[in-house]
Amino acid sequence: EIVLTQSPGTLSLSPGERATLSCRASQSVRSSYLAWYQQKPGQAPRLLIYGASSRATGIPDRFSASGSGTDFTLTISRLEPEDFAVYYCQQYGSSLTFGGGTKVEIK
Amino acid sequence: EVQLVQSGAEVKKPGESLKISCKGSGYSFTTYWIGWVRQMPGKGLEWMGIIYPGDSDTRYSPSFQGQVTISADKSISTAYLQWSSLKASDTAMYYCARVVGTAMIYYYMDVWGKGTTVTVSS
Repeated sequence: EIVLTQSPGTLSLSPGERATLSCRASQSVRSSYLAWYQQKPGQAPRLLIYGASSRATGIPDRFSASGSGTDFTLTISRLEPEDFAVYYCQQYGSSLTFGGGTKVEIK
Repeated sequence: EVQLVQSGAEVKKPGESLKISCKGSGYSFTTYWIGWVRQMPGKGLEWMGIIYPGDSDTRYSPSFQGQVTISADKSISTAYLQWSSLKASDTAMYYCARVVGTAMIYYYMDVWGKGTTVTVSS
């Protein structure tokens, strides 16, 4: 089973700042089959990114992602108030697994 | 509009059985996988298993194999997650999600239900 490790656990930033979230896999993720989800308190997760770098429908372009193999990154270029949430990565190259999440909180 | 509508919150006692549901609408139910995800209080997301309603092909996460049963009734566009004997540790929010893929392979979860809260307490 591929284990995904997300870092940092918590990111404390101010609106307008840039957020960089990391997701590291215990082994190479086939075909960059990696997705990112956002979850706000009391809500279901929402798909942000699939295929390591493709934005899902309706996702603003301040969200971008990159990576391949074992190292992946989600970047939020300028944090808006609605972006403070928990972010999860998920690989689907070998079965399915989620990372433990990174909480982006207001500093 | 593509939607997954989950059944309502449940409160059960240890040892009881339970079946929760997830009804899809606005798309071809038989050509997408449906996945189930557990989120324990204050914790992260855990993939439980997945079913392809078109042929009922079902796969389980090793962590949940034998602990739950996933099924689907394509005639009413509904997927199910069931327990035969609940434990207090099953207390969690359970999400269903539509999974993009083909009959042979599954990818990412693009549409999510709002979740069903299951509380197991004596």
